[in-house]
Amino acid sequence: QKEVEQNSGPLSVPEGAIASLNCTYSDRGSQSFFWYRQYSGKSPELIMFIYSNGDKEDGRFTAQLNKASQYVSLLIRDSQPSDSATYLCAVVGSGYALNFGKGTSLLVTP
Amino acid sequence: DTEVTQTPKHLVMGMTNKKSLKCEQHMGHRAMYWYKQKAKKPPELMFVYSYEKLSINESVPSRFSPECPNSSLLNLHLHALQPEDSALYLCASSQERKDYGYTFGSGTRLTVV
Repeated sequence: QKEVEQNSGPLSVPEGAIASLNCTYSDRGSQSFFWYRQYSGKSPELIMFIYSNGDKEDGRFTAQLNKASQYVSLLIRDSQPSDSATYLCAVVGSGYALNFGKGTSLLVTP
Repeated sequence: DTEVTQTPKHLVMGMTNKKSLKCEQHMGHRAMYWYKQKAKKPPELMFVYSYEKLSINESVPSRFSPECPNSSLLNLHLHALQPEDSALYLCASSQERKDYGYTFGSGTRLTVV
């Protein structure tokens, strides 16, 4: 079973702080990693993807990948109440299918 | 067009009914997917179509029957469902590249009564 593990939270951070979301995966052959944001009752929305070791930045979001440690993270700078959502880590498995972690619930408090 | 369109958005059906969910994309994506999502759970893969051929069936019960009539359209035919099949059904599409994320539709909220 190829697993993607996330802390379910909730992770609570004050407005303006940095939110750090973490994910580990079991399949060492995994090559692509995605972060999706999902608001309650809505479909997942792609936030970031990364496939090379290191950091990738896009606006307030930074994805970090460490393949040796099988670890991928998402940093959200200057967190806003509108960032409150569930963040799903996803890893490409066989047949280009995405395997999702259980998601981390983020709450940004004003 | 950068969207995946799913219809209907909401569906209530009885256990003896037959209904279909529809998904359409015009981004030229050659892979299309059906996912099922229960409340407070992650999406679970049901089916994968690659170049209009079924490539993955994640041991889904036969009361769910997928169909891919062409490269832009994906259907999910429903028959004799159970109340526990009530969920959000998500369609997604992608290029078959490992550096390319999925685009999800807005989903169909299905309630089986």
